[in-house]
Amino acid sequence: KNEVEQSPQNLTAQEGEFITINCSYSVGISALHWLQQHPGGGIVSLFMLSSGKKKHGRLIATINIQEKHSSLHITASHPRDSAVYICAVRRGNKLVFGAGTILRVKS
Amino acid sequence: KAGVTQTPRYLIKTRGQQVTLSCSPISGHRSVSWYQQTPGQGLQFLFEYFSETQRNKGNFPGRFSGRQFSNSRSEMNVSTLELGDSALYLCASSPDHHTGELFFGEGSRLTVL
Repeated sequence: KNEVEQSPQNLTAQEGEFITINCSYSVGISALHWLQQHPGGGIVSLFMLSSGKKKHGRLIATINIQEKHSSLHITASHPRDSAVYICAVRRGNKLVFGAGTILRVKS
Repeated sequence: KAGVTQTPRYLIKTRGQQVTLSCSPISGHRSVSWYQQTPGQGLQFLFEYFSETQRNKGNFPGRFSGRQFSNSRSEMNVSTLELGDSALYLCASSPDHHTGELFFGEGSRLTVL
């Protein structure tokens, strides 16, 4: 079993839909990152969480430390949200990555 | 403020050669970390440098090495290239060692023939 599991692997949504991407991890962590990667490679850090909830525009990220689970929500999804979303957990001095969720938002 | 700059963006090498990739972090950032991304393995941590010292290393063979200079710029080197080293190599900078948000460069895409 991978240390970091993301679900779903692939997600297709219609423009305007509410989207949830999940991340579960199996070890103790000091922080969790949500990253966005568009075709072509560049990665943008969306959130870094160690507890609770953060919001930035239409994006919301939550983390439950006891349950070792985090969710990334996108409200009012838009085709420009189409990207790969990657969860990464910081364990000691290392980052361990999930496999990513490929999101496609259709207009 | 300029972002993280990686050079070169694209390069092609042949098996057995060596390659050096460069990463210039955001001004004031002292931590630089390197990652390899392949279709099969996804993103994997290579190493992290802070104040010119390697703080941690991922599970990669000794052919992969790096260093950080006093101005926080970092280089990574891969010697005796293998076909499986073909990948996107990303670096990220952060203000502090293993805390704080990560700022990624666009990556260096290496193809080994």
